[in-house]
Amino acid sequence: GQNIDQPTEMTATEGAIVQINCTYQTSGFNGLFWYQQHAGEAPTFLSYNVLDGLEEKGRFSSFLSRSKGYSYLLLKELQMKDSASYLCAVWQDGNNRLAFGKGNQVVVIP
Amino acid sequence: ETGVTQTPRHLVMGMTNKKSLKCEQHLGHNAMYWYKQSAKKPLELMFVYNFKEQTENNSVPSRFSPECPNSSHLFLHLHTLQPEDSALYLCASSQDMGSAYGYTFGSGTRLTVV
Repeated sequence: GQNIDQPTEMTATEGAIVQINCTYQTSGFNGLFWYQQHAGEAPTFLSYNVLDGLEEKGRFSSFLSRSKGYSYLLLKELQMKDSASYLCAVWQDGNNRLAFGKGNQVVVIP
Repeated sequence: ETGVTQTPRHLVMGMTNKKSLKCEQHLGHNAMYWYKQSAKKPLELMFVYNFKEQTENNSVPSRFSPECPNSSHLFLHLHTLQPEDSALYLCASSQDMGSAYGYTFGSGTRLTVV
């Protein structure tokens, strides 16, 4: 079975920091992905965590705690173009598949 | 452009029509996937193909019929659809089924069934 939970929507101001949380309970785990999806466009890869800790990539950072079944995506210095849906996905070892959460819609306002 | 191309981008069809969605990738990937994305719901895996062979049908109704003539092309044939089938249909590919490096997605076909 699988359960991947994300908040559905949040609004933040340009220049601010926003943290998007993801909790998961899945059968098998071999890494967690974050994707960004602008309206009407393809989901695009942002980050991959398989070990506990923080991965930093420019303005975006992703954190994983395997023991807690928890990850977050941190967006710094928000820009208007960051308005998008952010999808959390778990790679299920054994099933060889990505299981997705519902996505979190981030709206950046001036 | 992600390397995975889907056509058409938008499709409106009646419940008695037959249409096909097309997906093409030239990334050298061996696995291809169809996902359904409905509002407020997680992406739902529909079909998986690995080296042109269907390895998974995730309890999808028979009014959806996939076809994979080669590793670069994937089709989804549609017939007698229902209004609740209206959604964004996403194609994705990966190096192979065992790849834990994630997928490359196409931009999707926005399907409206009237």
